Amino acid sequence: GIQVEQSPPDLILQEGANSTLRCNFSDSVNNLQWFHQNPWGQLINLFYIPSGTKQNGRLSATTVATERYSLLYISSSQTTDSGVYFCAVEREGSGGYGQNFVFGPGTRLSVLP
Amino acid sequence: NAGVMQNPRHLVRRRGQEARLRCSPMKGHSHVYWYRQLPEEGLKFMVYLQKENIIDESGMPKERFSAEFPKEGPSILRIQQVVRGDSAAYFCASSPPLQGTNTEAFFGQGTRLTVV
Repeated sequence: GIQVEQSPPDLILQEGANSTLRCNFSDSVNNLQWFHQNPWGQLINLFYIPSGTKQNGRLSATTVATERYSLLYISSSQTTDSGVYFCAVEREGSGGYGQNFVFGPGTRLSVLP
Repeated sequence: NAGVMQNPRHLVRRRGQEARLRCSPMKGHSHVYWYRQLPEEGLKFMVYLQKENIIDESGMPKERFSAEFPKEGPSILRIQQVVRGDSAAYFCASSPPLQGTNTEAFFGQGTRLTVV
């Protein structure tokens, strides 16, 4: 099956710093989403981005589908950004009938005040 | 428009009991997916359902686990004779009817099952 890798596995930042999180995947994908799991366990949609670039406030994401990677940028980080960031993909040709996501292992981000 | 609603948020069961987890999809969504997150791990796909149909249950354990999405009411994930290894967070996601290619999925807040 498709393999999803994320780097770095852990990241500690001082409040106000910028960061880039990376997601590599081993096969062509129909669907790619970024999620933030906060310290209370809630899973929050950040971006639906199978290709291209999107921005939402301090966050932006870019997926280069032909090179099989996606990047999540966090600027001016805040303590509320702490948590685990997951990349999830659905392999192209997997039936096209639903979100049979494969999740990466996540990047654990800690933002210090 | 309420999001994906899961209940209960927390569930404690003794070994051997049954656990029932409920998921109400977002309004207008007819596709439901269940995922399991073991401690310190990412989410793993379990099952994909549409109304009254199981489309893909390739990620679900063959024994003790079952899922349904009836014509009326929420989707139910049922775990019979729970064991300590079933302790995990169970997330439900929903999406609207597909239009051509896949569309964005939205996740509920999860049900944290603890087996004692």
